[in-house]
Amino acid sequence: AQKVTQAQTEISVVEKEDVTLDCVYETRDTTYYLFWYKQPPSGELVFLIRRNSFDEQNEISGRYSWNFQKSTSSFNFTITASQVVDSAVYFCALSEPYGNNRLAFGKGNQVVVIP
Amino acid sequence: ETGVTQSPTHLIKTRGQQVTLRCSSQSGHNTVSWYQQALGQGPQFIFQYYREEENGRGNFPPRFSGLQFPNYSSELNVNALELDDSALYLCASSFRVSGADTGELFFGEGSRLTVL
Repeated sequence: AQKVTQAQTEISVVEKEDVTLDCVYETRDTTYYLFWYKQPPSGELVFLIRRNSFDEQNEISGRYSWNFQKSTSSFNFTITASQVVDSAVYFCALSEPYGNNRLAFGKGNQVVVIP
Repeated sequence: ETGVTQSPTHLIKTRGQQVTLRCSSQSGHNTVSWYQQALGQGPQFIFQYYREEENGRGNFPPRFSGLQFPNYSSELNVNALELDDSALYLCASSFRVSGADTGELFFGEGSRLTVL
């Protein structure tokens, strides 16, 4: 069975600080996809990234960066120089193999950025 | 804006009633998935529809059922509502070709169901 663990439930940071969200996953599959989504108070899940299990390169997109380490089954997410608009719940998710987008989500990290 | 639209946005039902939630997928997408998100939890996969047929189901009882229409829109039906069915129901769409989803999964804003 697939499982995603996001241990930190709520994280508060002062604006301009960096914040790192940890994601640890469990799967027996050798092929899978990992995702991060942002959920603002409106409820919609906003797609941030999808990563193939064969691609272990780290990725940076603006103030966002991701560190994928297959050896430790982790896919951590860092927001650099946080802003108030980053306040949201962030979910890490794992899909079944063959890219069919049936996701197993973690419980999420509530990020509060204090001005 | 993702293009996935859901209706209604909020509704209140009583135990034992039935509810239908609707979802229009993003233009060009042919696969629809439904998720249930209880308060303070991550979304849980209910089922997925592709080519108007159920194509995978999570750990939900048969009283949760769905449909996909030729225009790829979808409905989620829940019969005999229970208090624990109170949640945000999220619809997501994606594009599948040759049996594999090609990329991102786009979510709508959800339908918040309260069961009294």
